[in-house]
Amino acid sequence: DQQVKQNSPSLSVQEGRISILNCDYTNSMFDYFLWYKKYPAEGPTFLISISSIKDKNEDGRFTVFLNKSAKHLSLHIVPSQPGDSAVYFCAASGGATNKLIFGTGTLLAVQP
Amino acid sequence: DVKVTQSSRYLVKRTGEKVFLECVQDMDHENMFWYRQDPGLGLRLIYFSYDVKMKEKGDIPEGYSVSREKKERFSLILESASTNQTSMYLCASSLSVNYGYTFGSGTRLTVV
Repeated sequence: DQQVKQNSPSLSVQEGRISILNCDYTNSMFDYFLWYKKYPAEGPTFLISISSIKDKNEDGRFTVFLNKSAKHLSLHIVPSQPGDSAVYFCAASGGATNKLIFGTGTLLAVQP
Repeated sequence: DVKVTQSSRYLVKRTGEKVFLECVQDMDHENMFWYRQDPGLGLRLIYFSYDVKMKEKGDIPEGYSVSREKKERFSLILESASTNQTSMYLCASSLSVNYGYTFGSGTRLTVV
């Protein structure tokens, strides 16, 4: 049972435009959410996180939005740059889970 | 910065071989994790460990075992390598089981 879902395997965006990556979860007890970015042949690196007590968190070009009623979070990248091209994983934790639960990832391609 | 080091970037092994993947972290983290990443399947947890000599199965432990004799080192063992274990293997460590994972650069294992 996939508790964290990223339904778009890939996304292509023009440089300078907004990239929106989506993530849905099923466990209402999750209370902490993270986004990781992964380049080929490297390990994932932490990008941004949000606690369930917030609905938005910003860090430079990256903003994460959380909609608890819809069990949905999204990552916005504005403006997108070619160096943002990578696989993005969302992850969640909380409740009875004793580890991070990762989604399947979305491959973002930012076209110059 | 926390550093997680995986001993090999690329490995090629034969079917039936016993394979050891080593991971070392330098920040005194209690928690360590082994994941594998496959296209379309995201990051799947194989095993994790809360402390020395402690281990817990993740989502896909079959065909694998682990060893944690020292706090800084967490080894993944493929008892008898098979071609379906060809994958990218990622080690991570953290202070908390729910956030703050730092990943190594990964080991690309090919079983022939």
